[in-house]
Amino acid sequence: AQTVTQSQPEMSVQEAETVTLSCTYDTSESNYYLFWYKQPPSRQMILVIRQEAYKQQNATENRFSVNFQKAAKSFSLKISDSQLGDTAMYFCAFMKDQGAQKLVFGQGTRLTINP
Amino acid sequence: DTAVSQTPKYLVTQMGNDKSIKCEQNLGHDTMYWYKQDSKKFLKIMFSYNNKELIINETVPNRFSPKSPDKAHLNLHINSLELGDSAVYFCASSSRTAGSYNEQFFGPGTRLTVL
Repeated sequence: AQTVTQSQPEMSVQEAETVTLSCTYDTSESNYYLFWYKQPPSRQMILVIRQEAYKQQNATENRFSVNFQKAAKSFSLKISDSQLGDTAMYFCAFMKDQGAQKLVFGQGTRLTINP
Repeated sequence: DTAVSQTPKYLVTQMGNDKSIKCEQNLGHDTMYWYKQDSKKFLKIMFSYNNKELIINETVPNRFSPKSPDKAHLNLHINSLELGDSAVYFCASSSRTAGSYNEQFFGPGTRLTVL
């Protein structure tokens, strides 16, 4: 079974700073997808970024980028020029490429951006 | 237009009651999911239906019964509610294409409080 671990329950940075959220996972699959989801106080789940395991290039979406280390089974999220609106819970998630495509989530990191 | 909608958004009820949560998607997807987010914010898959067929059934008490009348709807019925059932329940939907990434779109969640 796959597991996802986020070792930082809470983080706090000043606006405009860069912050990195950590995620490790465990799987025996060779093909899979990894995601970062954002959950603001509205509780809506918002997909921030995804990474296909077969791609060596790290995914980027504007201010959001990942550091995907397949051998180390590590998938961190970097938020550059952080904004007040980035304040939210962030969840790392794993999905197998084959079979039932359920999302397996980490415990979440509560990120606060301070003015 | 709301892509994935859930009713109700909030549900407060007494222990022992039976309640249902409804989910509808207008994205033309063929796969729908129920996830549970507990009081510690941990998200876990409960069920998934593909074309009205149950394909994922995690270790969930049999007091929980999903029903999919058609591809656009997936309802969750809970019998004999217990205090531990208090959580936020998320519905999600996706297309199911083998060997490719299929983004899951989440509903707004239903906060269930059992007193």
